[in-house]
Amino acid sequence: GAVVSQHPSRVICKSGTSVKIECRSLDFQATTMFWYRQFPKKSLMLMATSNEGSKATYEQGVEKDKFLINHASLTLSTLTVTSAHPEDSSFYICSASGQGAGNEQFFGPGTRLTVL
Amino acid sequence: GENVEQHPSTLSVQEGDSAVIKCTYSDSASNYFPWYKQELGKRPQLIIDIRSNVGEKKDQRIAVTLNKTAKHFSLHITETQPEDSAVYFCAASRGGNEKLTFGTGTRLTIIP
Repeated sequence: GAVVSQHPSRVICKSGTSVKIECRSLDFQATTMFWYRQFPKKSLMLMATSNEGSKATYEQGVEKDKFLINHASLTLSTLTVTSAHPEDSSFYICSASGQGAGNEQFFGPGTRLTVL
Repeated sequence: GENVEQHPSTLSVQEGDSAVIKCTYSDSASNYFPWYKQELGKRPQLIIDIRSNVGEKKDQRIAVTLNKTAKHFSLHITETQPEDSAVYFCAASRGGNEKLTFGTGTRLTIIP
C-alpha cells in the first residue's frame, strides 16, 4: 500500500516556541492531505484539509493563525504550531490521499508533541 | 456536518468469542465507511471498509455490514484472539478525497 511518513516522531519544546511537523507521501502524489489531532484516549479530530497549491480549509474552532498549514507540493505538507502552549500537547497525525492511492486515506505514524 | 456515533466505548470479550461494534452516521451523502484499528501510540490501520453500493463485506474473521436506510454500520470480529485487543474507530466520508469523520472509538479487550 501507499506509504506516508511524518517527521519528527516526537518533539519536546518550550512554551512560546514554534514547531514544524512534516508529512510526506513517499510513493504517490497526494493531492489532498489531512491533519488530525488526537488527545489521550480520545478520537481523531480533523483540524484541516489541505489541497496542493491551495489554502487549507480549517475545521470550526481551529485557529488558522496558530496552526499554519502549507501544501506546496504533491508529496509534502507541513503543519506549524506557532507559539505553542502546554494545551497544544497532543498526538498530531497526517493522512494523504490522491493519485495512485485509490480513494483510501493513508496515515502517517504521528508526531507526539509535548510543550513544557 | 457529519456526526458519527460509536458504541460501545469499551468491550471485553472472551478469547474465541465474537465482538460487535456499532456506528451510526447522520449525513445521507456519506458513501464510504472504513474501520480502523489503533494500537497505543501508533497510526490508525485500515482493517476493512465498505462502500454504499454493498450491504456486507467480509475478510477472513472480520466483516462489516451497512444499512443505508437506517444510517448504521457494524464491525464483526469472529474467533477473537488476544492480538485483536486495541482501539477500533469507525469513520464516514463522502468518498473520493473528502474528509473522514471518526467515531469516538471502542476499546476492545480480549480475555485469554
